[in-house]
Amino acid sequence: SQELEQSPQSLIVQEGKNLTINCTSSKTLYGLYWYKQKYGEGLIFLMMLQKGGEEKSHEKITAKLDEKKQQSSLHITASQPSHAGIYLCGADETSGSRLTFGEGTQLTVNP
Amino acid sequence: DTEVTQTPKHLVMGMTNKKSLKCEQHMGHRAMYWYKQKAKKPPELMFVYSYEKLSINESVPSRFSPECPNSSLLNLHLHALQPEDSALYLCASSLVVGYEQYFGPGTRLTVT
Repeated sequence: SQELEQSPQSLIVQEGKNLTINCTSSKTLYGLYWYKQKYGEGLIFLMMLQKGGEEKSHEKITAKLDEKKQQSSLHITASQPSHAGIYLCGADETSGSRLTFGEGTQLTVNP
Repeated sequence: DTEVTQTPKHLVMGMTNKKSLKCEQHMGHRAMYWYKQKAKKPPELMFVYSYEKLSINESVPSRFSPECPNSSLLNLHLHALQPEDSALYLCASSLVVGYEQYFGPGTRLTVT
């Protein structure tokens, strides 16, 4: 099974600052998913990337998948306290049935 | 509507009890999943159902027994659990396997 490494483990930023979270796999990915989780709650789907070089944006969040489909980044522009939470990247090697997750990045946004 | 509901929200059970967790979705999704999440760890896949048939069991102990009575419902039957089984149990669904998964809010299980 493939392993996903996320960095950084935690991040504290001032409101209004930009930030980037990275997710790296040692294997080529079939699909890469970004989720957000508040502690003790369910995961909120953010974006899914499947094609090498793909980039998607939603509101102030942009996710990219590199050409080799082994690395993804999540970028938040002008962060707000509502962006705080745990960001998880998830990926599957083959058909999407076995989704495994990185360890997560704990994001704190100070007002 | 991208809602997956789970009941109960919280459950405390003794090691000799039998209880069930319930998950429901009305999005017409044909793939449903159970995950287990320990504190400060990512979710770990337990079971996958595709078109109401169990397609993946990630070597989960038999004290956890999944059931998919119809395309909208997913149950997880619990029996003779251990304290280390205490965790957040998350249900998810997707249109079919390979599409993005939508998660429920989870059931916080405590085994005493």
